[in-house]
Amino acid sequence: GAVVSQHPSRVICKSGTSVKIECRSLDFQATTMFWYRQFPKQSLMLMATSNEGSKATYEQGVEKDKFLINHASLTLSTLTVTSAHPEDSSFYICSARVNRVISYNEQFFGPGTRLTVL
Amino acid sequence: LAKTTQPISMDSYEGQEVNITCSHNNIATNDYITWYQQFPSQGPRFIIQGYKTKVTNEVASLFIPADRKSSTLSLPRVSLSDTAVYYCLVGDMYSGGGADGLTFGKGTHLIIQP
Repeated sequence: GAVVSQHPSRVICKSGTSVKIECRSLDFQATTMFWYRQFPKQSLMLMATSNEGSKATYEQGVEKDKFLINHASLTLSTLTVTSAHPEDSSFYICSARVNRVISYNEQFFGPGTRLTVL
Repeated sequence: LAKTTQPISMDSYEGQEVNITCSHNNIATNDYITWYQQFPSQGPRFIIQGYKTKVTNEVASLFIPADRKSSTLSLPRVSLSDTAVYYCLVGDMYSGGGADGLTFGKGTHLIIQP
């Protein structure tokens, strides 16, 4: 099956620093990747859609200048949390879309990155 | 996207069959029904997807009645490792239909006891 990896799996940083999270599709190409955020005991919330070679599309309420997304290749998307603050502490999960020949597609999720901002 | 309603939590015992029902009264003609499983501190894992009637794979079955206003995920002979949150999602999954991210509801927390 399609495998998506994330790096790092866990990061702890001081308030005010920037953190970059990588999302890679290991055995397939993904023109579209998605970034989600999940707070403790809550469901996943879509943050943005990352399109290879173009600007990301952000969901309402997500600051594009704070959460920088770059999708420079068909196998890599990065999310940079700029000037992180404690309220940005969360579980960040990426997914990649597999477009099938048949008329449906599904998303494969990475293992997630636990961000803790002190 | 059609709104979904699932039980908040369910308990069962090892070896039993577990059925989790999801209501989606406003499902649209082009919508598919997809179930994901999520363990703590992990990304969700695709379980099964269907449009109508019954779909079965190596881990689960999905039953969808003719009106498609609900669906039931069936897990045969569960084990302790099936303890997880199960999400029911409904949406247009046609390729070329736009790069839509998934909208997750609250999910069902399934707890399997020995």
